[in-house]
Formats: sequence, structure tokens, C-alpha cells
Amino acid sequence: GAGVSQSPSNKVTEKGKDVELRCDPISGHTALYWYRQSLGQGLEFLIYFQGNSAPDKSGLPSDRFSAERTGGSVSTLTIQRTQQEDSAVYLCASSLEGQGTGNTIYFGEGSWLTVV
Amino acid sequence: SQQGEEDPQALSIQEGENATMNCSYKTSINNLQWYRQNSGRGLVHLILIRSNEREKHSGRLRVTLDTSKKSSSLLITASRAADTASYFCATDTGRRALTFGSGTRLQVQP
Repeated sequence: GAGVSQSPSNKVTEKGKDVELRCDPISGHTALYWYRQSLGQGLEFLIYFQGNSAPDKSGLPSDRFSAERTGGSVSTLTIQRTQQEDSAVYLCASSLEGQGTGNTIYFGEGSWLTVV
Repeated sequence: SQQGEEDPQALSIQEGENATMNCSYKTSINNLQWYRQNSGRGLVHLILIRSNEREKHSGRLRVTLDTSKKSSSLLITASRAADTASYFCATDTGRRALTFGSGTRLQVQP
């Protein structure tokens, strides 16, 4: 596709349920990132995939959060047993190469998660 | 605290005025980038400045970088109502994913 695509755009879920958020990066981009943004706040890094390297999971806030990237393309962020504090916009981004190369990263429009 | 911190947190100006936003960071960087965000959705890349550059221009945008002070500024000249948005700096250390600050919310009054 022309840009980074995320789905769903909006998700309302009950506390305790699991959710999956999907990201389709720009074709050919080797690096993929997940960030979280609470209302009116900055971006919080979650996880970073670069090619075939082991992902940088250092930003995941708890073991309820996990992410995978299949075939070096599509990524799924899974939140298990959701809590109200998980409510946020989850932003996915991709870049042609990884960090340190000066590549621009391109963001999707985000998935707005509300846990009730 | 975060690698990149913007100030001010919020800025309100009149159309036609210039808007200046600052960013400070803590560790050495490969480059620093500025992004814009409308309405809490996806961010759009504005400009990148490398660690060996001191100033860069793109249209009405001017970015400076002072690595000795670990700071950068973004200047928007002749602002327009459409420039109303949140602006974020992001630092690339080459060692991990891009790290974003908490942003400056710019309001341009028509």
C-alpha cells in the first residue's frame, strides 16, 4: 500500500479481554515500530523490529504486551487481560532501514483503544 | 525523563507571527527529527538534521542544532492557522528506536 495501514481504527473492549492490533508497513520497509500515546502526551516506545534481528522489546510495559512480525512484513500487537490504563492510541511506523541511518519513519493513523 | 524534551509545552500566537519551539536531549545523537501531529493521530515527518549539521531549512521551517548544548530549535515563520498542531522532536542515537519528547502544542489564531 501507499502508507502504513493500521486496524482497527478504533476499538472498545471490556476490561480483562484480549485485543489484537494490526499493522501493515510500507512495502519494502525493513524496520517497524510500535509506540503508545496517551491523551495529550508524548509517544512511548514499545517495540522495534529490524529485519531478521531480535526485536527490541525494552519498551513493553508488562508481560501482558507482546508483538510479532510475520514474514518481515505485517505486525500484530497483542494486549492480554486489558486494563483501563491501557487505553491509548497505538501508533505503528515503518522505515526503509533501521535507526542510525537517517531514514524517515512513516506513521500509520493509529488504533485508538478504549478499555471500559 | 525522556531523551527529548520540548518547550514550551503550549504556545499560542497570531497568524503571521513566528513560532519557535525548543528541544533538549541528554545523550549523543546521530540525527534529530521534527514531526507534526494533528488531532492525536499519525505523525508526519517535517525535517531531519544530522549531528554534523548546524542549520537546515525547508520552506517556512528552520531547524538549528547545537550538539554542545544538546539542543535544537524549530522555527516556523509567517505562521498560518493550518500550522495548528502538536510538534515533536525525536532523537536517533543509532542504538535503539527513535525517542520522542512530549511535544509542543501550537495554536495559531486566525
